[in-house]
Amino acid sequence: DADVTQTPRNRITKTGKRIMLECSQTKGHDRMYWYRQDPGLGLRLIYYSFDVKDINKGEISDGYSVSRQAQAKFSLSLESAIPNQTALYFCATSDPTIANYGYTFGSGTRLTVV
Amino acid sequence: SQQGEEDPQALSIQEGENATMNCSYKTSINNLQWYRQNSGRGLVHLILIRSNEREKHSGRLRVTLDTSKKSSSLLITASRAADTASYFCATAKPNNNDMRFGAGTRLTVKP
Repeated sequence: DADVTQTPRNRITKTGKRIMLECSQTKGHDRMYWYRQDPGLGLRLIYYSFDVKDINKGEISDGYSVSRQAQAKFSLSLESAIPNQTALYFCATSDPTIANYGYTFGSGTRLTVV
Repeated sequence: SQQGEEDPQALSIQEGENATMNCSYKTSINNLQWYRQNSGRGLVHLILIRSNEREKHSGRLRVTLDTSKKSSSLLITASRAADTASYFCATAKPNNNDMRFGAGTRLTVKP
């Protein structure tokens, strides 16, 4: 099994619909993140969580919400999807106590809002 | 806003040549990391260099960091077609460990 699993892999939804993207990790890390990737813009941070009770907004949190259901689970919701939220979404996890730590990313969810 | 900016945006080389990508950033950092992304896939961590380090090696990868110039470079030696991917630098600020990514360099290695 992958260290970080994202579901669904692909999703097409209609404008105005609520949609949830799910992420689970088996690394045992406290820190989890949601990023979106748009062509030419790299990755931008939506929300991050340093533990179950700690949720923080990133640089582009408007229109999104998150839930940290457990150490291993971090879900991202689009309350009312709009076309400019069409993007590739990545979940990641990290443990900064590990020397030379890096982020472990999931394979991504490709979301299309029509 | 993005913290790191990679240069060039795209690079095309022949197999066996070296590839150099640069990253500039704007504020003080705790560390700088390089990631690789194959088309449409998740990012894979390559190497981390801390703010008090100047150079680091990992296999065919060599990373340098110049904090006075707020820049880093990633050198891939003896490139292979399988190195074709996008490469991103990411920075972590002191006391704020969320990572900010640049827009990436798209590397194409021709066989």
